[in-house]
Amino acid sequence: EAQLVESGGGLVQPGRSLRLSCAASGFTFDDYSMHWVRQPPGKGLEWVSGIIWNSGDMGYAGSVKGRFTISRDNGNNSLYLQMNTLRPDDTALYYCAKGRGWQLGYGLDVWGQGTTVTVSS
Amino acid sequence: QSALTQPASVSGSPGQSITISCSGTYSDVGNYQLVSWYQQHPGRAPRLMIYEVIKRPSGVSSRFSGSKSGNTASLTISGLQAEDEADYYCCSYAGRLYLFGTGTKVTVL
Repeated sequence: EAQLVESGGGLVQPGRSLRLSCAASGFTFDDYSMHWVRQPPGKGLEWVSGIIWNSGDMGYAGSVKGRFTISRDNGNNSLYLQMNTLRPDDTALYYCAKGRGWQLGYGLDVWGQGTTVTVSS
Repeated sequence: QSALTQPASVSGSPGQSITISCSGTYSDVGNYQLVSWYQQHPGRAPRLMIYEVIKRPSGVSSRFSGSKSGNTASLTISGLQAEDEADYYCCSYAGRLYLFGTGTKVTVL
């Protein structure tokens, strides 16, 4: 059974950095695109970033472009999100999600349970 | 890019059909056959219900169906059941990024 487990969330001060990790199991990790989606408390879903199977292409939401960097390690079945210059409006539950295909664009069919990031002084 | 527009809430009685709309632009919904729909129960991770506008993942009830016309996509739930009460989000590819909808709370009366 496909499974995603996020880690690395926590409380961080504005302007600081945090790195999220997502450990994948139960499927051939390097066959699929991978994504980060976030959900602020009591609000809706926002796609944050995605990366294709071989790291050859990636995309970012406008709200995080230039501050966040997505990466993956296919040898370790892991996805990462480096978050720099964090702001209070980055506070959210961050989900790792698997794309249905190797490219960007397709539906997200496996989701983790999320890791919480709180940006506050 | 802005979020796709969905009604804040839709309700129906058990057994009825409801439709949730998802309004975008020619740059996202109108330009790609890559609209997906997600169901989210409180405190739970989202679940993929529809992908590529009309396709259903295995395990998703045939009561859920998707469609698209121009810049607007729709999710229809037929034979509404109590377990369908949840938040629903549409999502469209928009060229190296995804846009989610504002979300719709479905209430089963």
